[in-house]
Amino acid sequence: AQKITQTQPGMFVQEKEAVTLDCTYDTSDPSYGLFWYKQPSSGEMIFLIYQGSYDQQNATEGRYSLNFQKARKSANLVISASQLGDSAMYFCAMRVISSGSARQLTFGSGTQLTVLP
Amino acid sequence: EAQVTQNPRYLITVTGKKLTVTCSQNMNHEYMSWYRQDPGLGLRQIYYSMNVEVTDKGDVPEGYKVSRKEKRNFPLILESPSPNQTSLYFCASSLIPGAHGYTFGSGTRLTVV
Repeated sequence: AQKITQTQPGMFVQEKEAVTLDCTYDTSDPSYGLFWYKQPSSGEMIFLIYQGSYDQQNATEGRYSLNFQKARKSANLVISASQLGDSAMYFCAMRVISSGSARQLTFGSGTQLTVLP
Repeated sequence: EAQVTQNPRYLITVTGKKLTVTCSQNMNHEYMSWYRQDPGLGLRQIYYSMNVEVTDKGDVPEGYKVSRKEKRNFPLILESPSPNQTSLYFCASSLIPGAHGYTFGSGTRLTVV
């Protein structure tokens, strides 16, 4: 079974500073994808960034980067130059790809990020 | 615009009164899924569908039913809702196979009293 662990229920960061949100995962499958989603107070789920298990380089999307450490099974999200609009719940998720079919997206419990002015 | 449309956004109902939450996607995605979100638990999968007439249970299927008669639609049915089904529900879709993320609907906040 797959499992995602986010150990930080809440985080605070000062505006314009960088912040790292932790995520560790557990799977025995060699082929998987890791995702981060943002959920603002309005409730929608917004896709941020994706990392494949065979990708050699860490994924980046604008101010978001994913610090992928495969041996440690961690996939931390780094947000650079935080903005007030980054205040939201952030979810780490994993999708295992095996036997020619994609399985469900398994989510962590989330980290509530608050950006302080 | 490519999207997943859920209705209604908000619903308050009474225990035992059957309800259906609709979900429709316009991206020709094979894979569709329902999740519920509860504080401290993240999102947990209720049911999923790999294609028309192919559905399977997720992690928390008890008390829910689904159907997939058309590729674009994947309704969630609560035959006899109970207060422990009060939650935020998301429908999502994606291409399969591969490492694709989901496109989520806007969510349905259900309250069962």
